[in-house]
Amino acid sequence: DARVTQTPRDKVTEMGQEVTMRCQPILGHNTVFWYRQTMMQGLELLAYFRNRAPLDDSGMPKDRFSAEMPDATLATLKIQPSEPRDSAVYFCASARSKETQYFGPGTRLLVL
Amino acid sequence: DQQVKQNSPSLSVQEGRISILNCDYTNSMFDYFLWYKKYPAEGPTFLISISSIKDKNEDGRFTVFLNKSAKHLSLHIVPSQPGDSAVYFCAAKGKSSGDKLTFGTGTRLAVRP
Repeated sequence: DARVTQTPRDKVTEMGQEVTMRCQPILGHNTVFWYRQTMMQGLELLAYFRNRAPLDDSGMPKDRFSAEMPDATLATLKIQPSEPRDSAVYFCASARSKETQYFGPGTRLLVL
Repeated sequence: DQQVKQNSPSLSVQEGRISILNCDYTNSMFDYFLWYKKYPAEGPTFLISISSIKDKNEDGRFTVFLNKSAKHLSLHIVPSQPGDSAVYFCAAKGKSSGDKLTFGTGTRLAVRP
């Protein structure tokens, strides 16, 4: 049963600290997405990659957020420094190009 | 600028009755629409989709209707079951947006036994 995995599931940190979230896409999927879920905006796309190359990161605050794919089995989303307004659930999703996106369980981030 | 809008944050329906979830969009370039379902502490899962060349797509108890002139789509669940209680997200994409989906804010459905 192939699925997207995300770590950590929950993260509580203090303002100013660095946060790194990790995602393992489904094997064989070449497109990886990072979303943020908030009450006001719903699911916002932060960035996405195809074949490990960034295609669109226009939804991401560039000054503090960064997303990378060190290899085909790992995607990372980093926030440095974190702020209370970054508190949200962060989802990773993967897909074969132009096919259905499969979501991971999310990382619930709380920045105090 | 919310291009996909779900104006009802919540909906409560009796088991066995029809649930109707609505979604409006503003971008006329959108040509493919999807519904995702999300349970607490889980990621969204794909439910059903529709292309703009159709006005209806049915899958078991789930039917999605698309009204292009009104830029409106709806998800009908008949009959509703307690296990359908979840948050439902509407999403859309266009040819020029590639794989990029634009999501609404979600509607929380509660099906009462």
